[in-house]
Amino acid sequence: EPEVTQTPSHQVTQMGQEVILRCVPISNHLYFYWYRQILGQKVEFLVSFYNNEISEKSEIFDDQFSVERPDGSNFTLKIRSTKLEDSAMYFCASSAGPRVQPQHFGDGTRLSIL
Amino acid sequence: GQQVMQIPQYQHVQEGEDFTTYCNSSTTLSNIQWYKQRPGGHPVFLIQLVKSGEVKKQKRLTFQFGEAKKNSSLHITATQTTDVGTYFCAGLRTNFGNEKLTFGTGTRLTIIP
Repeated sequence: EPEVTQTPSHQVTQMGQEVILRCVPISNHLYFYWYRQILGQKVEFLVSFYNNEISEKSEIFDDQFSVERPDGSNFTLKIRSTKLEDSAMYFCASSAGPRVQPQHFGDGTRLSIL
Repeated sequence: GQQVMQIPQYQHVQEGEDFTTYCNSSTTLSNIQWYKQRPGGHPVFLIQLVKSGEVKKQKRLTFQFGEAKKNSSLHITATQTTDVGTYFCAGLRTNFGNEKLTFGTGTRLTIIP
């Protein structure tokens, strides 16, 4: 069964450094998402992406965050200047269509900010 | 902003007992999805409900969408150890173009063998 893959599985970064989290969505999917989950808490929506542009973003997704689909397969989340509170599990997800389609999640990247 | 709350936050049940988690949204939803997250894992899609009052079953799992499309429930009959995990509801609001899936606070189910 096709999967969403994320790399790295764990990223440790110094506060203030830039970090890029990478995702390869399922190949025929058109809608891409990033979520974060602070340990033991709920899954929080960050951003949705379709047709090479952001379709929606949450209040968490401020100017420090950006997303990109640099080629036909990768979907990246960049955090420009990391803060301690950015420590969380970041999940990428993709879906074949909008709204009524199930979202398929990757295994996540655990981001630890020191 | 939209809030989706789930109760209970934690549930410990004896294996074989039933389990129910309730999901309540502050706004009317166009549809609701349920996900299961095993400890250390990622959310896995279980089911989607679209119609008011809809009930769907998957083996021992029964999902219900409220008449007002603001609440939902998941009931597991005769729990097994494989049911362990956190169950999240996730709702989409009614305004077209809104792609933001708002996850509930989750119910963590543990099973006592």
